[in-house]
Amino acid sequence: GENVEQHPSTLSVQEGDSAVIKCTYSDSASNYFPWYKQELGKGPQLIIDIRSNVGEKKDQRIAVTLNKTAKHFSLHITETQPEDSAVYFCAADNFNKFYFGSGTKLNVKP
Amino acid sequence: DAGVIQSPRHEVTEMGQEVTLRCKPISGHNSLFWYRQTMMRGLELLIYFNNNVPIDDSGMPEDRFSAKMPNASFSTLKIQPSEPRDSAVYFCASSLSPQGSGNTIYFGEGSWLTVV
Repeated sequence: GENVEQHPSTLSVQEGDSAVIKCTYSDSASNYFPWYKQELGKGPQLIIDIRSNVGEKKDQRIAVTLNKTAKHFSLHITETQPEDSAVYFCAADNFNKFYFGSGTKLNVKP
Repeated sequence: DAGVIQSPRHEVTEMGQEVTLRCKPISGHNSLFWYRQTMMRGLELLIYFNNNVPIDDSGMPEDRFSAKMPNASFSTLKIQPSEPRDSAVYFCASSLSPQGSGNTIYFGEGSWLTVV
């Protein structure tokens, strides 16, 4: 089956700085890669996604890049704000089964 | 539109008791997923239904766990008998799934289970 690895497990940045979270996947058949944000006591919420026929997608301060050859994708958050503090999960969709990374706890210091 | 609705939000039960978690997917969605989240193992897929039919239950840990989806708007996850190691957050999620993959899944707020 698919294996998704996510790094780093924790990330601390100063407000206004950028944050980058990286994921790798193992199965080239995976073709959809969503990112989720989970706040304390809540369920994961979709923040951005990318499909395998696209290399980059941006939504305001959030962007995702995908390198199919290397089988890795990354989440970029610019101009971080304290409300960005949460746990972020990447996932790979392999025939409608989502395989999640282990999560990155992002702390944005005011 | 209402999102995925789960109940109960919190449950504390004694070892050996039966636990039933409930889920109402987003209206119109035809795929439903049950996940378990723990610190040690992260988010694990337990079972996945499509059009009310269980498609993949390979993640169900053992026979003490069972899941049903009697209709398109309701699913249950049952643990009988419960054990302390079942303590976790259980998420239900749903998606609109035609043939093939690449469909966003939407999570509920979770059911926080503690077995003492």
